[in-house]
Amino acid sequence: NAGVMQNPRHLVRRRGQEARLRCSPMKGHSHVYWYRQLPEEGLKFMVYLQKENIIDESGMPKERFSAEFPKEGPSILRIQQVVRGDSAAYFCASSPRTGEDTQYFGPGTRLTVL
Amino acid sequence: GQSLEQPSEVTAVEGAIVQINCTYQTSGFYGLSWYQQHDGGAPTFLSYNALDGLEETGRFSSFLSRSDSYGYLLLQELQMKDSASYFCAVRDQRGGATNKLIFGTGTLLAVQP
Repeated sequence: NAGVMQNPRHLVRRRGQEARLRCSPMKGHSHVYWYRQLPEEGLKFMVYLQKENIIDESGMPKERFSAEFPKEGPSILRIQQVVRGDSAAYFCASSPRTGEDTQYFGPGTRLTVL
Repeated sequence: GQSLEQPSEVTAVEGAIVQINCTYQTSGFYGLSWYQQHDGGAPTFLSYNALDGLEETGRFSSFLSRSDSYGYLLLQELQMKDSASYFCAVRDQRGGATNKLIFGTGTLLAVQP
Protein backbone atom coordinates (compact mmCIF):
# COMPACT_ATOMS: atom_id res chain seq x y z
CA ASN A 1 0.00 0.00 0.00
CA ALA A 2 1.84 3.05 -1.26
CA GLY A 3 1.97 6.03 1.02
CA VAL A 4 1.14 9.61 0.18
CA MET A 5 2.97 10.63 -2.97
CA GLN A 6 4.05 14.13 -3.79
CA ASN A 7 5.82 15.49 -6.83
CA PRO A 8 8.00 17.11 -7.61
CA ARG A 9 10.18 16.73 -4.55
CA HIS A 10 12.09 19.88 -5.39
CA LEU A 11 10.87 22.77 -7.48
CA VAL A 12 12.75 25.91 -8.45
CA ARG A 13 10.90 28.88 -9.89
CA ARG A 14 11.77 32.46 -10.70
CA ARG A 15 9.69 35.27 -9.32
CA GLY A 16 6.47 35.69 -11.27
CA GLN A 17 6.29 32.08 -12.51
CA GLU A 18 3.69 29.53 -11.54
CA ALA A 19 4.26 26.55 -9.28
CA ARG A 20 2.14 23.40 -9.41
CA LEU A 21 2.47 20.87 -6.63
CA ARG A 22 0.83 17.47 -6.86
CA CYS A 23 -0.34 15.07 -4.20
CA SER A 24 -1.77 11.57 -4.49
CA PRO A 25 -3.31 10.41 -1.20
CA MET A 26 -2.97 6.93 0.21
CA LYS A 27 -5.20 4.34 -1.40
CA GLY A 28 -8.66 4.52 0.10
CA HIS A 29 -8.18 8.03 1.49
CA SER A 30 -10.55 10.68 0.26
CA HIS A 31 -9.47 13.56 2.52
CA VAL A 32 -6.46 15.67 1.58
CA TYR A 33 -4.75 18.45 3.52
CA TRP A 34 -2.00 20.84 2.51
CA TYR A 35 0.43 22.33 5.03
CA ARG A 36 3.31 24.75 4.62
CA GLN A 37 6.49 24.69 6.65
CA LEU A 38 9.00 27.51 6.72
CA PRO A 39 12.58 26.73 7.83
CA GLU A 40 12.89 26.09 11.57
CA GLU A 41 9.11 26.39 12.03
CA GLY A 42 6.14 24.10 12.51
CA LEU A 43 3.58 23.10 9.93
CA LYS A 44 0.81 25.57 9.14
CA PHE A 45 -2.51 24.41 7.75
CA MET A 46 -3.46 25.76 4.34
CA VAL A 47 -6.43 23.88 2.90
CA TYR A 48 -8.55 20.77 3.40
CA LEU A 49 -10.23 19.07 0.46
CA GLN A 50 -12.39 16.09 -0.29
CA LYS A 51 -13.01 14.82 -3.80
CA GLU A 52 -14.19 17.76 -5.92
CA ASN A 53 -14.83 19.91 -2.84
CA ILE A 54 -12.87 22.45 -0.85
CA ILE A 55 -13.95 21.99 2.75
CA ASP A 56 -11.75 24.54 4.53
CA GLU A 57 -9.34 26.99 2.91
CA SER A 58 -8.97 29.27 5.91
CA GLY A 59 -5.18 28.87 5.97
CA MET A 60 -4.59 29.71 2.35
CA PRO A 61 -3.65 33.21 1.19
CA LYS A 62 -6.55 34.84 -0.62
CA GLU A 63 -4.51 35.75 -3.67
CA ARG A 64 -2.29 33.68 -5.96
CA PHE A 65 -2.99 30.37 -4.16
CA SER A 66 -5.56 27.79 -5.21
CA ALA A 67 -6.15 24.10 -4.65
CA GLU A 68 -8.23 21.39 -6.20
CA PHE A 69 -8.88 17.69 -5.77
CA PRO A 70 -10.62 16.47 -8.92
CA LYS A 71 -12.69 13.33 -9.23
CA GLU A 72 -9.83 11.69 -11.09
CA GLY A 73 -6.17 12.39 -10.49
CA PRO A 74 -4.09 14.00 -7.78
CA SER A 75 -4.75 17.03 -5.68
CA ILE A 76 -3.04 20.15 -7.02
CA LEU A 77 -1.79 23.14 -5.08
CA ARG A 78 -1.19 26.00 -7.47
CA ILE A 79 0.76 29.14 -6.70
CA GLN A 80 0.64 31.88 -9.31
CA GLN A 81 3.19 34.66 -9.69
CA VAL A 82 5.45 33.22 -7.02
CA VAL A 83 7.44 35.52 -4.75
CA ARG A 84 10.50 34.78 -2.62
CA GLY A 85 8.34 34.51 0.48
CA ASP A 86 6.63 31.45 -1.04
CA SER A 87 9.85 29.47 -0.63
CA ALA A 88 9.00 26.70 1.81
CA ALA A 89 8.31 23.01 2.12
CA TYR A 90 4.75 22.10 1.19
CA PHE A 91 3.41 18.91 2.69
CA CYS A 92 0.33 17.01 1.72
CA ALA A 93 -1.43 14.65 4.12
CA SER A 94 -4.39 12.34 3.78
CA SER A 95 -6.85 10.51 5.99
CA PRO A 96 -9.55 7.95 5.27
CA ARG A 97 -12.46 9.73 6.89
CA THR A 98 -13.60 12.85 8.65
CA GLY A 99 -12.99 13.21 12.35
CA GLU A 100 -9.71 11.36 11.99
CA ASP A 101 -6.92 12.47 14.28
CA THR A 102 -4.18 10.64 12.42
CA GLN A 103 -2.99 12.08 9.15
CA TYR A 104 -0.44 10.46 6.85
CA PHE A 105 2.07 12.82 5.32
CA GLY A 106 3.88 12.79 2.03
CA PRO A 107 7.58 13.59 1.62
CA GLY A 108 6.86 17.20 0.72
CA THR A 109 7.76 19.51 -2.13
CA ARG A 110 10.53 21.99 -1.45
CA LEU A 111 9.82 25.13 -3.41
CA THR A 112 12.63 27.59 -3.97
CA VAL A 113 11.84 30.93 -5.56
CA LEU A 114 14.83 32.70 -7.05
CA GLY B 1 -6.99 31.38 19.57
CA GLN B 2 -5.38 27.98 19.47
CA SER B 3 -1.76 27.56 20.44
CA LEU B 4 0.58 24.78 21.47
CA GLU B 5 3.89 25.47 23.19
CA GLN B 6 6.91 23.19 23.28
CA PRO B 7 10.55 23.65 24.26
CA SER B 8 12.57 24.55 21.19
CA GLU B 9 15.47 22.18 21.84
CA VAL B 10 16.34 19.22 24.02
CA THR B 11 19.66 17.41 24.22
CA ALA B 12 20.23 13.95 25.70
CA VAL B 13 22.68 11.07 25.46
CA GLU B 14 22.20 7.62 24.01
CA GLY B 15 20.41 5.25 26.34
CA ALA B 16 18.86 8.04 28.39
CA ILE B 17 15.22 9.00 28.86
CA VAL B 18 13.89 12.32 27.64
CA GLN B 19 10.54 14.04 28.09
CA ILE B 20 9.17 16.60 25.62
CA ASN B 21 6.39 18.74 27.04
CA CYS B 22 3.46 20.37 25.28
CA THR B 23 0.98 22.84 26.74
CA TYR B 24 -2.01 23.84 24.70
CA GLN B 25 -4.80 26.39 24.56
CA THR B 26 -7.74 25.39 22.40
CA SER B 27 -11.37 26.36 22.05
CA GLY B 28 -12.35 22.69 22.05
CA PHE B 29 -10.39 19.51 22.45
CA TYR B 30 -10.53 15.99 21.08
CA GLY B 31 -7.06 14.76 21.85
CA LEU B 32 -3.33 15.35 21.50
CA SER B 33 -1.19 13.81 18.78
CA TRP B 34 2.58 13.56 18.40
CA TYR B 35 4.54 13.56 15.16
CA GLN B 36 8.21 12.97 14.41
CA GLN B 37 10.05 14.70 11.58
CA HIS B 38 13.59 13.89 10.48
CA ASP B 39 15.57 16.62 8.72
CA GLY B 40 12.54 18.27 7.17
CA GLY B 41 11.20 14.97 5.85
CA ALA B 42 7.67 13.65 6.06
CA PRO B 43 6.13 14.06 9.51
CA THR B 44 5.31 10.63 10.91
CA PHE B 45 2.51 9.93 13.37
CA LEU B 46 3.75 8.58 16.70
CA SER B 47 0.87 8.54 19.15
CA TYR B 48 -2.50 9.96 20.15
CA ASN B 49 -4.11 10.56 23.55
CA ALA B 50 -7.80 11.31 23.87
CA LEU B 51 -8.09 10.43 27.55
CA ASP B 52 -5.99 11.26 30.57
CA GLY B 53 -3.12 8.95 31.29
CA LEU B 54 -0.19 7.25 29.69
CA GLU B 55 -0.18 5.46 26.33
CA GLU B 56 2.81 3.23 25.69
CA THR B 57 4.09 2.14 22.29
CA GLY B 58 7.46 0.44 22.54
CA ARG B 59 10.15 2.92 23.56
CA PHE B 60 7.79 5.85 23.14
CA SER B 61 5.03 6.82 25.56
CA SER B 62 2.68 9.77 25.57
CA PHE B 63 0.83 11.30 28.47
CA LEU B 64 -2.15 13.62 28.66
CA SER B 65 -3.74 15.66 31.44
CA ARG B 66 -6.85 17.35 30.08
CA SER B 67 -7.44 19.31 33.28
CA ASP B 68 -3.96 20.84 33.00
CA SER B 69 -4.06 21.25 29.19
CA TYR B 70 -0.73 19.48 29.16
CA GLY B 71 0.87 16.47 27.62
CA TYR B 72 4.28 15.00 27.06
CA LEU B 73 6.12 12.54 24.89
CA LEU B 74 8.53 10.23 26.69
CA LEU B 75 11.34 8.58 24.77
CA GLN B 76 13.23 5.80 26.51
CA GLU B 77 16.50 4.04 25.65
CA LEU B 78 17.39 6.86 23.32
CA GLN B 79 19.10 5.99 20.07
CA MET B 80 20.97 8.24 17.67
CA LYS B 81 18.19 7.76 15.12
CA ASP B 82 15.77 9.45 17.52
CA SER B 83 17.44 12.78 16.71
CA ALA B 84 14.61 14.64 15.01
CA SER B 85 11.98 17.31 15.52
CA TYR B 86 8.91 16.36 17.52
CA PHE B 87 5.59 18.15 17.18
CA CYS B 88 2.46 17.97 19.27
CA ALA B 89 -0.81 18.67 17.46
CA VAL B 90 -4.52 19.06 18.09
CA ARG B 91 -7.48 18.92 15.73
CA ASP B 92 -9.00 22.34 15.17
CA GLN B 93 -12.69 22.60 15.99
CA ARG B 94 -13.40 26.08 14.77
CA GLY B 95 -15.78 26.71 11.90
CA GLY B 96 -17.14 23.19 11.86
CA ALA B 97 -14.21 21.84 9.87
CA THR B 98 -12.72 19.54 12.42
CA ASN B 99 -10.03 17.83 10.41
CA LYS B 100 -7.22 20.33 10.16
CA LEU B 101 -4.34 19.91 12.58
CA ILE B 102 -2.81 22.74 14.56
CA PHE B 103 0.83 21.98 15.24
CA GLY B 104 3.03 23.03 18.10
CA THR B 105 6.22 24.97 17.64
CA GLY B 106 8.30 21.80 17.55
CA THR B 107 11.12 20.46 19.70
CA LEU B 108 14.46 19.60 18.15
CA LEU B 109 15.90 16.59 19.95
CA ALA B 110 19.64 16.03 19.66
CA VAL B 111 20.88 12.65 20.86
CA GLN B 112 24.59 12.58 21.62
CA PRO B 113 26.83 9.52 21.87
